[in-house]
Amino acid sequence: QKEVEQDPGPLSVPEGAIVSLNCTYSNSAFQYFMWYRQYSRKGPELLMYTYSSGNKEDGRFTAQVDKSSKYISLFIRDSQPSDSATYLCAFYSNSGYALNFGKGTSLLVTP
Amino acid sequence: SQTIHQWPATLVQPVGSPLSLECTVEGTSNPNLYWYRQAAGRGLQLLFYSVGIGQISSEVPQNLSASRPQDRQFILSSKKLLLSDSGFYLCAWSRTGGTEAFFGQGTRLTVV
Repeated sequence: QKEVEQDPGPLSVPEGAIVSLNCTYSNSAFQYFMWYRQYSRKGPELLMYTYSSGNKEDGRFTAQVDKSSKYISLFIRDSQPSDSATYLCAFYSNSGYALNFGKGTSLLVTP
Repeated sequence: SQTIHQWPATLVQPVGSPLSLECTVEGTSNPNLYWYRQAAGRGLQLLFYSVGIGQISSEVPQNLSASRPQDRQFILSSKKLLLSDSGFYLCAWSRTGGTEAFFGQGTRLTVV
């Protein structure tokens, strides 16, 4: 079983839709959960960072963590064409030294 | 504020030629430094990481090497490039004891 599973998409939605992006993980040692956004031919940028189970909101973005199910989600409300990018989930454990990344989900928001 | 610089942005090199990609971080001390490669459909692959000057750990045996000659400088090298070395190379840093990583803008390497 892979440590991190993420559907690669592509996911295409109309402008204004609510987007749901998800990752599952198998390593119980993961304690920190992140979402990165990567535009084409650019480096990933940190979008959301969470530590505990529950929800964290930042503007149109909500990160949700369910440690019991080993499942994290990123919700984007009122999606915009500028949200079109690849979204990578990332995990970190205190016993590790680097982030573990999902393969990324490609999102396209059409006007 | 902290910034990370990575260059060049794009590079086309013939097979068998050497490689040197450079990454520098500003605004912080003793960062953890990372080199990743990103290939289509394969996600981010950690190549090397460093927790201090001269301290390099390799994740994947390959045709590449890394060096950290200064606290905030990280270099990715190869003596002879292979076609399979083509890809998008990303440098990243994190704070000592930190969790989240911050990435440079990447170098797209094409070996021809």
